[in-house]
Amino acid sequence: ETGVTQTPRHLVMGMTNKKSLKCEQHLGHNAMYWYKQSAKKPLELMFVYSLEERVENNSVPSRFSPECPNSSHLFLHLHTLQPEDSALYLCASSQDTRENQPQHFGDGTRLSIL
Amino acid sequence: QKEVEQDPGPLSVPEGAIVSLNCTYSNSAFQYFMWYRQYSRKGPELLMYTYSSGNKEDGRFTAQVDKSSKYISLFIRDSQPSDSATYLCAMTGFQKLVFGTGTRLLVSP
Repeated sequence: ETGVTQTPRHLVMGMTNKKSLKCEQHLGHNAMYWYKQSAKKPLELMFVYSLEERVENNSVPSRFSPECPNSSHLFLHLHTLQPEDSALYLCASSQDTRENQPQHFGDGTRLSIL
Repeated sequence: QKEVEQDPGPLSVPEGAIVSLNCTYSNSAFQYFMWYRQYSRKGPELLMYTYSSGNKEDGRFTAQVDKSSKYISLFIRDSQPSDSATYLCAMTGFQKLVFGTGTRLLVSP
């Protein structure tokens, strides 16, 4: 496999459920990101990891909990979500976090909260 | 004022037309400029990457940056139905990456 792979592609969950999104990159990159994409809004950066260490957390509610066990894998643990959390969640990676390094995205997980 | 402004469209053109997609921005710190293409039910795919002012060409695509006007463009020559997608501009500066909202392009056969 090449690039950035996200699973599952679609997820429907109730507000009281707990689920996890998974991301895996095969590009040998050292930085990974979680974004939220909602209709008619710019991508919102949620979390940034560099060499498995969280370097940025953009005021994301605690019901979203990231985990980066190694530089190739990134998880987003979800619990007690709200209807407004329904969106496309995108994972991205880059060589490192320097601003001249373009980010490469997965195809996302489409999340629907009932 | 938004940091990056991009017309959401949709922009509808016939096959073979020259397409011009644009973004304006307000932060003069931005130095690296990107265009991503996003097909329906897919993630953004990096299309063009430029640094500073000037033009960059790749096949049918040309990216243009005018830092004095804080304006970037993506031109698509001989547009094809397969170019139908949402095009996102993005830019970085001072450790900050900001995206536009995307322009939806429809190329009809």
